Amino acid sequence: DTAVSQTPKYLVTQMGNDKSIKCEQNLGHDTMYWYKQDSKKFLKIMFSYNNKELIINETVPNRFSPKSPDKAHLNLHINSLELGDSAVYFCASGLRGSYEQYFGPGTRLTVT
Amino acid sequence: GQSLEQPSEVTAVEGAIVQINCTYQTSGFYGLSWYQQHDGGAPTFLSYNGLDGLEETGRFSSFLSRSDSYGYLLLQELQMKDSASYFCAVNQGGKLIFGQGTELSVKP
Repeated sequence: DTAVSQTPKYLVTQMGNDKSIKCEQNLGHDTMYWYKQDSKKFLKIMFSYNNKELIINETVPNRFSPKSPDKAHLNLHINSLELGDSAVYFCASGLRGSYEQYFGPGTRLTVT
Repeated sequence: GQSLEQPSEVTAVEGAIVQINCTYQTSGFYGLSWYQQHDGGAPTFLSYNGLDGLEETGRFSSFLSRSDSYGYLLLQELQMKDSASYFCAVNQGGKLIFGQGTELSVKP
């Protein structure tokens, strides 16, 4: 049983395109997150949703738009992709306020 | 600003003990977490300190001193499979601020 799953695992696309990444968790957690990990392995939080409500919105270009249809799903849509968006995007889930978060396998996005 | 400092890389031999230090400077602090990430894998939770002192989980222990804004992860009886990146992360009420990671190489 996969706890936190993401699709797709790999995404290669050209500059200017729009793409989406999907995430699902079956752990019963009420909070989900998107993180970006760059080529130097620096892991930075982007967004967090608690029960479909946006609770964390870091300084992220507005080309990035998260959506949470229910507390088990969190999607990330990226418009007008740029070369600098190339990274691994991790979804994670946990209970609100918890220090323990469960990460998905990541989506490696390459923008050419 | 917010910053966490940890060594970029550490090398040790199988069976040895290694300590990975983390100092932090953040505007909010609920505790310090440690995560492990193997190449190509996802970060996985290892340990957490909400209060000062030592927490032990098998071969791994973690320590926190809030007055010194300092913590460390101690790995004992190193095994080859421990080769990975280790991240400290400050918990700000569920928002994790990660350090840049320490790449641990375990040699035979």
